[in-house]
Amino acid sequence: DTAVSQTPKYLVTQMGNDKSIKCEQNLGHDTMYWYKQDSKKFLKIMFSYNNKELIINETVPNRFSPKSPDKAHLNLHINSLELGDSAVYFCASGGGNNEQYFGPGTRLTVT
Amino acid sequence: QQQVKQSPQSLIVQKGGISIINCAYENTAFDYFPWYQQFPGKGPALLIAIRPDVSEKKEGRFTISFNKSAKQFSLHIMDSQPGDSATYFCAAYKGGNQFYFGTGTSLTVIP
Repeated sequence: DTAVSQTPKYLVTQMGNDKSIKCEQNLGHDTMYWYKQDSKKFLKIMFSYNNKELIINETVPNRFSPKSPDKAHLNLHINSLELGDSAVYFCASGGGNNEQYFGPGTRLTVT
Repeated sequence: QQQVKQSPQSLIVQKGGISIINCAYENTAFDYFPWYQQFPGKGPALLIAIRPDVSEKKEGRFTISFNKSAKQFSLHIMDSQPGDSATYFCAAYKGGNQFYFGTGTSLTVIP
């Protein structure tokens, strides 16, 4: 069983569109994250949720909106996509011992 | 401001050699230091981690050396193998669900 899963794996869309990425974890963790990895492979945290509550909201444009329907799911909705949003987005979950488990990533390409 | 500084950016090592990646931090509140390994097209995976109450942790061919006074920690890969070729990230954590990642090191092990 995949511990942290994301869909879709690839997403190609045009500027101005709205898209969503879904994430699910079956590890029973209370904390989930969204990270953005740019073309230089730099990993930057975007959001962190603990038990469905937003804990961290880094300086991310408000076009990005996370939604956590329950503690096993953390979805990312992006409005009015821009070229600069092209990146790989990783979902992760974390347990009480500070370990993080990352999903396989969603490669978003905005044309 | 980069909270965790990682070097080198890239590293080429002969099979059987030792790979060494270094990280440095400033914030003494950090209390957990993980290393992640990322293969192309995959999410980062936790490799090994250390807390500042020990100076070294070894798991198989991977060792973390930790120097609290110098605020530095490093990853040593002994007997490096071509299968170790990946990007390695150090990170630091100080609570509040916030991980700070280094900029990554691309390791290539030549057969």
